[in-house]
Amino acid sequence: DAKTTQPPSMDCAEGRAANLPCNHSTISGNEYVYWYRQIHSQGPQYIIHGLKNNETNEMASLIITEDRKSSTLILPHATLRDTAVYYCIVRVAGTASKLTFGTGTRLQVTL
Amino acid sequence: DGGITQSPKYLFRKEGQNVTLSCEQNLNHDAMYWYRQDPGQGLRLIYYSQIVNDFQKGDIAEGYSVSREKKESFPLTVTSAQKNPTAFYLCASSIDRVNTGELFFGEGSRLTVL
Repeated sequence: DAKTTQPPSMDCAEGRAANLPCNHSTISGNEYVYWYRQIHSQGPQYIIHGLKNNETNEMASLIITEDRKSSTLILPHATLRDTAVYYCIVRVAGTASKLTFGTGTRLQVTL
Repeated sequence: DGGITQSPKYLFRKEGQNVTLSCEQNLNHDAMYWYRQDPGQGLRLIYYSQIVNDFQKGDIAEGYSVSREKKESFPLTVTSAQKNPTAFYLCASSIDRVNTGELFFGEGSRLTVL
């Protein structure tokens, strides 16, 4: 699976949009981009995934560049409860066993 | 409510002792997984099971053992052969191995070796 690069930490003011970048320059055509988040001492929570089109759900939006070498997770109105570590993962469909979590981005939402 | 239940939440063990962590799911998922997380690190896959009575080693299986006798249960045994067992252990499940990659995680079990 392709490796991903994320900034180790980011800050965001409550109520503002949080834009979390992820670089996956070696992604293959059949690899999806997934985002999970982990609140301190809890299990990770699935947020969203996509292949090449932008995606939106009730939690977030995922913007994937046209060349698919990078993506951005957008939390449109961050709250204090969004403070967590966010993981960007790429994987080939059908290989859930190889879901590899790096160190992610620690997002701190502040008042 | 459907979900994944891990127990115990906290566990202390003396060196040389085996310990078994429980993972139960009522989501009717075929696939189950065990991950290990060390402080400030990502998750590493220990074992996974795609179907009852079948399981495969992940990236760091040495010193661990699992069983999958029932669809809803996937216990992990940390044996005395595991050199650095103190860690946060996470169990997860997914509908099946060829699903879209959405894993459902339990709340974790924190093991400390004294």
